[in-house]
Amino acid sequence: DQQVKQNSPSLSVQEGRISILNCDYTNSMFDYFLWYKKYPAEGPTFLISISSIKDKNEDGRFTVFLNKSAKHLSLHIVPSQPGDSAVYFCAASVQGAQKLVFGQGTRLTINP
Amino acid sequence: EPEVTQTPSHQVTQMGQEVILRCVPISNHLYFYWYRQILGQKVEFLVSFYNNEISEKSEIFDDQFSVERPDGSNFTLKIRSTKLEDSAMYFCASRNRGPLWGEQYFGPGTRLTVT
Repeated sequence: DQQVKQNSPSLSVQEGRISILNCDYTNSMFDYFLWYKKYPAEGPTFLISISSIKDKNEDGRFTVFLNKSAKHLSLHIVPSQPGDSAVYFCAASVQGAQKLVFGQGTRLTINP
Repeated sequence: EPEVTQTPSHQVTQMGQEVILRCVPISNHLYFYWYRQILGQKVEFLVSFYNNEISEKSEIFDDQFSVERPDGSNFTLKIRSTKLEDSAMYFCASRNRGPLWGEQYFGPGTRLTVT
């Protein structure tokens, strides 16, 4: 099941710079997308979401962009901080369905 | 800030034994979920529960699995006869009433080890 893919298993960014995490999906029925952050030994923590009627949603340092024609979304973190070091998952769902479909995750490391 | 809690944090069991994983969802939430993550793999949906019944389940959620909301606060996942391949992190999640899609809030997980 490769409906949601995060092709970069890891990303290293310098503190203060922009982090860009990418996610692709194949199921055109997906209409709601979420980003979660996960620290070791903890559950996924909700970060930000976007519905398919929008192409951008912003919350503080976090912005999610959705390109429906390319079936691609990205999460921008600016400026990146050491506490942002974690695994980031994108997830997608279909209106009316309950389940979230997750990508494999990208491990983000912020270097001082 | 309200949060989803799960117990135990780690459960070790022998193959063939029954296990019950417990969750306390956020108190005003109405939709409840179980997911699992096998080491090195994706987080996978198992089951969703609303209004005291299963609303959706994956093909992983076979007859060996069951869920229950025995009272107003707990939400449990039972595995009747555990297999080695059931070893995974199990996450409970909950969601408030709202649009048909919305953010799900996850607990810290229970690590299940089947020996």
